[in-house]
Amino acid sequence: DAKTTQPPSMDCAEGRAANLPCNHSTISGNEYVYWYRQIHSQGPQYIIHGLKNNETNEMASLIITEDRKSSTLILPHATLRDTAVYYCIVRPRTGYNAGNMLTFGGGTRLMVKP
Amino acid sequence: NAGVTQTPKFQVLKTGQSMTLQCAQDMNHEYMSWYRQDPGMGLRLIHYSVGAGITDQGEVPNGYNVSRSTTEDFPLRLLSAAPSQTSVYFCASSALAGGSEQYFGPGTRLTVT
Repeated sequence: DAKTTQPPSMDCAEGRAANLPCNHSTISGNEYVYWYRQIHSQGPQYIIHGLKNNETNEMASLIITEDRKSSTLILPHATLRDTAVYYCIVRPRTGYNAGNMLTFGGGTRLMVKP
Repeated sequence: NAGVTQTPKFQVLKTGQSMTLQCAQDMNHEYMSWYRQDPGMGLRLIHYSVGAGITDQGEVPNGYNVSRSTTEDFPLRLLSAAPSQTSVYFCASSALAGGSEQYFGPGTRLTVT
């Protein structure tokens, strides 16, 4: 997987937008940007992915720069339940390897405060 | 859809005991896998399956067995539990072999004394 860099921690006020950045300057043409999160003691949760266009779903929006070297995950109205570690992963969508092991780096610990 | 379910949520074993962790998914996903996560650590792949009847080893397979007799179920068997197997175990599935959109179960927290 291409290397990604994320800030180790961020705070966000409840009800405000949380903007989580990720740098992936060595991304290849066939690699997508994936975001997962892990809430304490729970299994990792897939959030969203994108190739080069901005994407939005019911959980979040993903903004990818034109050169694809960085991206931002946006939680539009953060709640206390969004407190979690957020992971940015860059990899092909399919056929990466038979084992298909996801490798999470350090991630960003997002703390949503009342 | 229940998604990926795991049982039990918690388990305490004595050294040498055996047990099976259950995992099921109702999304008709071909790919299923087992990870373990130790405190403060990332996920490590134990075993995986790309379809019914097909399984293979991941990064840390020793001490564990799996089978995949149906698309829905992928149980993980601990043959003779050791304290080093104290961990949180997550089952995951995806629609495509090698797919990067993976869906995880809630985990089983196992303690071996």
